[in-house]
Amino acid sequence: SQTIHQWPATLVQPVGSPLSLECTVEGTSNPNLYWYRQAAGRGLQLLFYSVGIGQISSEVPQNLSASRPQDRQFILSSKKLLLSDSGFYLCAWSPAGTNPYEQYFGPGTRLTVT
Amino acid sequence: GQNIDQPTEMTATEGAIVQINCTYQTSGFNGLFWYQQHAGEAPTFLSYNVLDGLEEKGRFSSFLSRSKGYSYLLLKELQMKDSASYLCAVRSSNTGKLIFGQGTTLQVKP
Repeated sequence: SQTIHQWPATLVQPVGSPLSLECTVEGTSNPNLYWYRQAAGRGLQLLFYSVGIGQISSEVPQNLSASRPQDRQFILSSKKLLLSDSGFYLCAWSPAGTNPYEQYFGPGTRLTVT
Repeated sequence: GQNIDQPTEMTATEGAIVQINCTYQTSGFNGLFWYQQHAGEAPTFLSYNVLDGLEEKGRFSSFLSRSKGYSYLLLKELQMKDSASYLCAVRSSNTGKLIFGQGTTLQVKP
């Protein structure tokens, strides 16, 4: 069966510090991968998605970036965090293709920027 | 444009039935999804509809009318553990991406 991991689970970082969040998927090949952010009391905002190694699409302009160095690894980064970057970051995967496959979410990382 | 609307909050009684509505406007349609999210946790997939009609999964059912841009999630025999946010999401056929609504927070009372 497929599993998705994220770490760390929680993170407190000062403004201006760098960020690296990691997501890995097991039990599937060539998945579509997604990074979402959920601010307190708000819906899920798609940040990045990837259909393959090295292929990243950005949804919103921001100080975040994403990379996919391996087929089942997705990394979210920032060089300098802002207060507004606080939120619940969720990685998700879906099977490759254009059918309406559901997305499966990882456990999430709760980031607080102080 | 793309827009998904859900009620912000709902309250229901344990053992009762509750219907959570979702209306949407998207550029192309390729499926509507419902997720459950408990406080502080990740969303978990509940159901999806591609064609019009009702999909039943145990105590949960989801209905879709593509012509009306409308869906609902029906929860029967409510339990306290059903207290959670319920997210409606539409997959765009143009982009393949899921667009999420703000979610409906359901509180089940004894």
